[in-house]
Amino acid sequence: DADVTQTPRNRITKTGKRIMLECSQTKGHDRMYWYRQDPGLGLRLIYYSFDVKDINKGEISDGYSVSRQAQAKFSLSLESAIPNQTALYFCATSDLNDSQETQYFGPGTRLLVL
Amino acid sequence: ELKVEQNPLFLSMQEGKNYTIYCNYSTTSDRLYWYRQDPGKSLESLFVLLSNGAVKQEGRLMASLDTKARLSTLHITAAVHDLSATYFCAVDGDSWVDSSYKLIFGSGTRLLVRP
Repeated sequence: DADVTQTPRNRITKTGKRIMLECSQTKGHDRMYWYRQDPGLGLRLIYYSFDVKDINKGEISDGYSVSRQAQAKFSLSLESAIPNQTALYFCATSDLNDSQETQYFGPGTRLLVL
Repeated sequence: ELKVEQNPLFLSMQEGKNYTIYCNYSTTSDRLYWYRQDPGKSLESLFVLLSNGAVKQEGRLMASLDTKARLSTLHITAAVHDLSATYFCAVDGDSWVDSSYKLIFGSGTRLLVRP
C-alpha cells in the first residue's frame, strides 16, 4: 500500500462549489504539506503543518483552507472554487527527525474547475 | 525573496550522450533537493545535498552543489530512454526572520531521451 494517499485522484467541479481534497499517510511523519502544480511550473506551497496543532500559510494560501484532523490526515478545502484553481494538487510528508527533511509526495489530485 | 531557476527547461538528447541540468538559486540555503517526476505521476526524491562541494551519484545521475556560486548541477551520463522524465530542483528557504518554512521549486527540466 502507498505510504501517502490522496482522494479523490481526479475531480471536476463548478465555479463556486466547495470542495475538499484529502490526504492520509502511514509513514508516521509529523509534518505535512499541500502544494499545487501548474503546467510548466514547479510546485508551490499552499499550507503546511508541523504537527496536529500547527497550521501555517505557504506561498499561495489565498482561497484555500486546511484542517489537520490527526497526525495522519491533512485536508485541503476550496471554499468557493474558481477556474484558476484548476491544477494538480500534491500532498507531502516529512519526518521531524530526518535531518535531510526529505519530503515524500502523494500521487496527486487533478482538479478541474469549470 | 528566494528564487530558483533551472535550465534548460526542455532537453531532447540521444541515448548514450552526456548532459548537465543547472539549478541556480538566489539566496543562501541549507539544503538542495533533486526530484524526478514521470508523466502523470508523483515526485520521487533523487538527491539531497547539504553542504558546499557535496556530490551524490546514483546510476547515471550525479548531483553536485556549489553554495558559493548558489548553483547545483545534475549530470546525466550515457543517457538511456528510462531517464526520460521531468527533473526538479528545490531549495530550502527557511526564514529565520519570521520562522516561516519555504521549499521553493524550480520550473523543472523536461528530459526526453531519444533512441
